[in-house]
Amino acid sequence: DAGVIQSPRHEVTEMGQEVTLRCKPISGHDYLFWYRQTMMRGLELLIYFNNNVPIDDSGMPEDRFSAKMPNASFSTLKIQPSEPRDSAVYFCASSLAGGGGTFGSGTRLTVV
Amino acid sequence: AQSVAQPEDQVNVAEGNPLTVKCTYSVSGNPYLFWYVQYPNRGLQFLLKYITGDNLVKGSYGFEAEFNKSQTSFHLKKPSALVSDSALYFCAVRDYGGANNLFFGTGTRLTVIP
Repeated sequence: DAGVIQSPRHEVTEMGQEVTLRCKPISGHDYLFWYRQTMMRGLELLIYFNNNVPIDDSGMPEDRFSAKMPNASFSTLKIQPSEPRDSAVYFCASSLAGGGGTFGSGTRLTVV
Repeated sequence: AQSVAQPEDQVNVAEGNPLTVKCTYSVSGNPYLFWYVQYPNRGLQFLLKYITGDNLVKGSYGFEAEFNKSQTSFHLKKPSALVSDSALYFCAVRDYGGANNLFFGTGTRLTVIP
């Protein structure tokens, strides 16, 4: 298995633009997590899905953030409109029930 | 509610000496505990986990961790540190009896001094 695949690896965008981050989880994993990592706030759980259904989105910072999982092999995290304070590394992880997460390499987002 | 505390932001240790990175947790049910390592500009890599059974868990790269229920701790240890162990270490907990999401500590930066 290729592991959790995230794209793009790097994204630079202007303030106000829409940004879409993508994640392909490991086949067979029924949990998918989106995390954000910054120097100031560390690693934050944004949202997680179980069997494609959002279970807890309390970590999503604002309505500008949205996440979807249309099927078991794909998820997106969208920011619209983006702001400079959204600049961070965004990680996707997937797991089986009760297991730890396998993380992707992350997307480094810079909003200028 | 679940929570994880890593009381030390930074740990420095001389190469060849034993290292310990501390972690304490709080869950309402039975804990699933994990350690991850993050190297610069990389994602988190799984090191080891405790689910049940032997309190001493052995993981990747010579690391081990000891689950202590009475102290609600899960400290990461290695008998002899290598310079290449220098990285950011995260402890995480999952409450199998409750919400099934994974909560991370704030991370501890380990520096192994040659």
